Amino acid sequence: NAGVMQNPRHLVRRRGQEARLRCSPMKGHSHVYWYRQLPEEGLKFMVYLQKENIIDESGMPKERFSAEFPKEGPSILRIQQVVRGDSAAYFCASSTSDRGRETQYFGPGTRLLVL
Amino acid sequence: GQQLNQSPQSMFIQEGEDVSMNCTSSSIFNTWLWYKQDPGEGPVLLIALYKAGELTSNGRLTAQFGITRKDSFLNISASIPSDVGIYFCAGRKGGSEKLVFGKGTKLTVNP
Repeated sequence: NAGVMQNPRHLVRRRGQEARLRCSPMKGHSHVYWYRQLPEEGLKFMVYLQKENIIDESGMPKERFSAEFPKEGPSILRIQQVVRGDSAAYFCASSTSDRGRETQYFGPGTRLLVL
Repeated sequence: GQQLNQSPQSMFIQEGEDVSMNCTSSSIFNTWLWYKQDPGEGPVLLIALYKAGELTSNGRLTAQFGITRKDSFLNISASIPSDVGIYFCAGRKGGSEKLVFGKGTKLTVNP
């Protein structure tokens, strides 16, 4: 059973460009979470999605950031008009739909560098 | 946003020594989790705690969910070189799926 997959692993963008980060959850998982990690910091929650629905986006910046988890295909975190401060590692996690003790399994992350 | 207070920030120990790190919060959490992150990788779950006072082991690792629900600790016994990495605590509040993370404890083990 493959784990959470993220691509690309590394992404370089120039200021003003768009960044698209992809996440394929573990097989059988229908909940996806995105976190951001700055150097020397812990992970910060951004958004929680289920298929076709955004459940909690309390950690998403108000502008330029969006996320989706379509019925078919991976979850996408999209950053428009990137700025240097967007440089960070972005991690996706997934969990099952079972209520109670859901464990979030993390992917290897996408390291975004904005030049 | 809220972040857990994790200490120590870093530790340098000799192989074979025991290690202890902890996490505190000003608010209550329903779940405490401990993750390990290797360079260039995502966090890997080590131990999950769901009840106040719960003490759980995973091999040489032992973690406890504080009785006040505002803290947790992780112990590693008889450390080995592959224990090197960054250890993160994470908490989850009731009614929320998002995890709140500490800043991590960077562990270095000298052979």
